[in-house]
Amino acid sequence: GEDVEQSLFLSVREGDSSVINCTYTDSSSTYLYWYKQEPGAGLQLLTYIFSNMDMKQDQRLTVLLNKKDKHLSLRIADTQTGDSAIYFCAERGRNNAGNMLTFGGGTRLMVKP
Amino acid sequence: NAGVTQTPKFQVLKTGQSMTLQCAQDMNHEYMSWYRQDPGMGLRLIHYSVGAGITDQGEVPNGYNVSRSTTEDFPLRLLSAAPSQTSVYFCASRPLQSGNQPQHFGDGTRLSIL
Repeated sequence: GEDVEQSLFLSVREGDSSVINCTYTDSSSTYLYWYKQEPGAGLQLLTYIFSNMDMKQDQRLTVLLNKKDKHLSLRIADTQTGDSAIYFCAERGRNNAGNMLTFGGGTRLMVKP
Repeated sequence: NAGVTQTPKFQVLKTGQSMTLQCAQDMNHEYMSWYRQDPGMGLRLIHYSVGAGITDQGEVPNGYNVSRSTTEDFPLRLLSAAPSQTSVYFCASRPLQSGNQPQHFGDGTRLSIL
């Protein structure tokens, strides 16, 4: 099946920028998503990007997509302690069962004051 | 706005017991799905449904059954619980239309099998 990979852990200082990376294998990906999960909670959609775009900015969030390398990143500017959470990359492609999402393993972001 | 509601939030079972995890959505979404979340493995699709009366298997369907008799409800059944099914289970829904429609997730059911 298709695969989505993320690094497990990232630690940054408050005020710095965070960059969370994701790679995927599905060449038919149409949309790619970033979800945030806070402790004990469900998944909250942060942002998404269509596969024919290479960048999307939404306030402190910047998504970069390199479709050739199948690489997606999420940059959080001026990272705050409230940004500490697990961030999941997900992709929807034509190869996915029922056109559902394939998720990465999640990156735990720790923000130090 | 209720969105996607999962019950119960927590459950402890003994090996071999059966249980149904409930999921309901009030957004009239055609697509509903169940995922399990395990450390370092992200969310893996168990079963999904594209409408009432239609279900199909995802990536990890073994040990689980589903049914979709109404648009609103999509229960997940464990017929004989095993310790390997200890996990956090998420239900999600989205509209049928293609495009950028994201999935809406419930808050999860934390299930422990002893």
